[in-house]
Amino acid sequence: DVVMTQSPRSLSVSLGQPASISCRSSQSLAYTDGPTYLSWFHQGPGQSPRRLINKVSIRDSGVPDRFSGSGSGTDFTLKISRVEAEDVGVYYCMQGAHWPFTFGPGTKVDIK
Amino acid sequence: QVQLVESGGGVVKPGGSLRLSCAASGFSLSNSGLHWVRQAPGKGLEWVAFIRFDGITKYYGDSVKGRFTVSKDNSQNMVFLQMNSLRPEDTAIYYCAKLGNPWGQGTLVTVSS
Repeated sequence: DVVMTQSPRSLSVSLGQPASISCRSSQSLAYTDGPTYLSWFHQGPGQSPRRLINKVSIRDSGVPDRFSGSGSGTDFTLKISRVEAEDVGVYYCMQGAHWPFTFGPGTKVDIK
Repeated sequence: QVQLVESGGGVVKPGGSLRLSCAASGFSLSNSGLHWVRQAPGKGLEWVAFIRFDGITKYYGDSVKGRFTVSKDNSQNMVFLQMNSLRPEDTAIYYCAKLGNPWGQGTLVTVSS
């Protein structure tokens, strides 16, 4: 199975400051001449997960443009340009290129 | 609009069985696959299973393979997760999801003697 790792595992950020989360996969998530199946999810306190980013960099509908995704192959990054209070919670990356799909362990973000 | 509502959770003894249901609305399961994802108390997300639109192709996570079976009823627009030989480590909130948004609220399964 593809193992997903994330760093850091926790992050304390001041309001209005940027944040960055790294995600690595044990195998390439790129299809030959095709998309790369890496998604990012956010789970606020007491809430169900919500997908933010699909296929590395495509924001889901309604996701603010302060969220951006980048990367290729096995290395990926989620960036928040200016953290807002509603961004607290846990962020997960997930690979959808190989069965079974697998999630990263999560990165907890709170406000400093 | 898309909506997913999970049901069927509860308390079950180790070794027991439970069947979860997922009612979909706003889209047709006859041309859409669906995933099950779970989250143990205080833990991260774990992908559990997927059933393709055709109801034939199915995939499972290693921890549930051979014990859980996913199925669907297109006429009811519902997906099911039959969970057998349950273990305490299967205790979790179970979500059905397209992985896109929105997700449902999930249904809690507790395996305890």
